[in-house]
Amino acid sequence: QKEVEQDPGPLSVPEGAIVSLNCTYSNSAFQYFMWYRQYSRKGPELLMYTYSSGNKEDGRFTAQVDKSSKYISLFIRDSQPSDSATYLCAMMEYGNKLVFGAGTILRVKS
Amino acid sequence: DARVTQTPRHKVTEMGQEVTMRCQPILGHNTVFWYRQTMMQGLELLAYFRNRAPLDDSGMPKDRFSAEMPDATLATLKIQPSEPRDSAVYFCASGSLGETQYFGPGTRLLVL
Repeated sequence: QKEVEQDPGPLSVPEGAIVSLNCTYSNSAFQYFMWYRQYSRKGPELLMYTYSSGNKEDGRFTAQVDKSSKYISLFIRDSQPSDSATYLCAMMEYGNKLVFGAGTILRVKS
Repeated sequence: DARVTQTPRHKVTEMGQEVTMRCQPILGHNTVFWYRQTMMQGLELLAYFRNRAPLDDSGMPKDRFSAEMPDATLATLKIQPSEPRDSAVYFCASGSLGETQYFGPGTRLLVL
């Protein structure tokens, strides 16, 4: 079993929809949780970064962490075609390397 | 706008040739990571350095890959000899202790 599980998709939604992306993990020592967005032929770009349970909002994006369930989510409101990308969850213990999920391919259709 | 830079951006070479990839981390970051990304395996950590010292290179094939940080502004990843199965996108990322990582644009390697 992988330390971080993420459904690879692809996930296809119409423009304006609310998107929910999820990851589960098995290592209870993970303290930091991130979401990266990767456009085709580009490097991963940091989108959201949290270190506690609860919600963190940034514009149309909300990151949610539930440490008791070992479950994290990224919500995208009013999704746009420009949101079409691969979304990677990542997490780490303090001072250690990041462990990435496999990435979910998102397609937002106009 | 500080960012990680990588050279070359693209490299096509023949099997058996040496390949060297370079990375300039963000100034002030003390941790540098090398990743490889393929469709089949996703993003794999190859090696990482903190304060220029190698901390973990367990993800790297030791017989042909080597990673170094000759100074704080340069990290290198070398493959010798290269093989077709090394074809992938190689990313460098940098960060500071306890903080997240920022990725470069990658080197797209094709070994024929």
